[in-house]
Amino acid sequence: NAGVTQTPKFQVLKTGQSMTLQCAQDMNHNSMYWYRQDPGMGLRLIYYSASEGTTDKGEVPNGYNVSRLNKREFSLRLESAAPSQTSVYFCASSTLAGETQYFGPGTRLLVL
Amino acid sequence: AQSVAQPEDQVNVAEGNPLTVKCTYSVSGNPYLFWYVQYPNRGLQFLLKYITGDNLVKGSYGFEAEFNKSQTSFHLKKPSALVSDSALYFCAVRDLESFSGGYNKLIFGAGTRLAVHP
Repeated sequence: NAGVTQTPKFQVLKTGQSMTLQCAQDMNHNSMYWYRQDPGMGLRLIYYSASEGTTDKGEVPNGYNVSRLNKREFSLRLESAAPSQTSVYFCASSTLAGETQYFGPGTRLLVL
Repeated sequence: AQSVAQPEDQVNVAEGNPLTVKCTYSVSGNPYLFWYVQYPNRGLQFLLKYITGDNLVKGSYGFEAEFNKSQTSFHLKKPSALVSDSALYFCAVRDLESFSGGYNKLIFGAGTRLAVHP
């Protein structure tokens, strides 16, 4: 039982490049989330998926897109990376929205 | 608007002493409250939650939290701190206003860094 897994662990991009962050959970959770963590800002919600087939914007969705591929997988895409997107990205899941969330180990992204 | 505040950026405690990490919240209804811990280069780990019932909630690693409705607080406590408790602690509250299709999100505080000195 791996819980929530994220790939890659670390990535360096140049401004304007695109990439997809992958997230998968094996806990049969309905809801999944993408956060970014920046110093002094806590966690800010980018997008979430309350259930398979639905996605909604969080606090800071600009510059990102998401896909809920199936119940297990929820990916985050940066179409044209900007230095302001340098951050640590966390994926999380919960049985239902608003319930206890379980987090992955994070992806550290550096945009030059 | 729903919100959660952690008034201290850092808390310093000597090993063996009791510790308290403060959290206050603002919600329109009955709150669901959570504490998470983040160790260096790791994701957040769930410690405990309050939904209803006893105001003193016990969680993982010997931590507990006290819900105080009149003071709108949910402080995290431990009777005897360990050096290994040094980490970043986040308080979170269920967002009761973002009711999109029946779904609620969590709002996280900015985090408090706990440093336990030998």
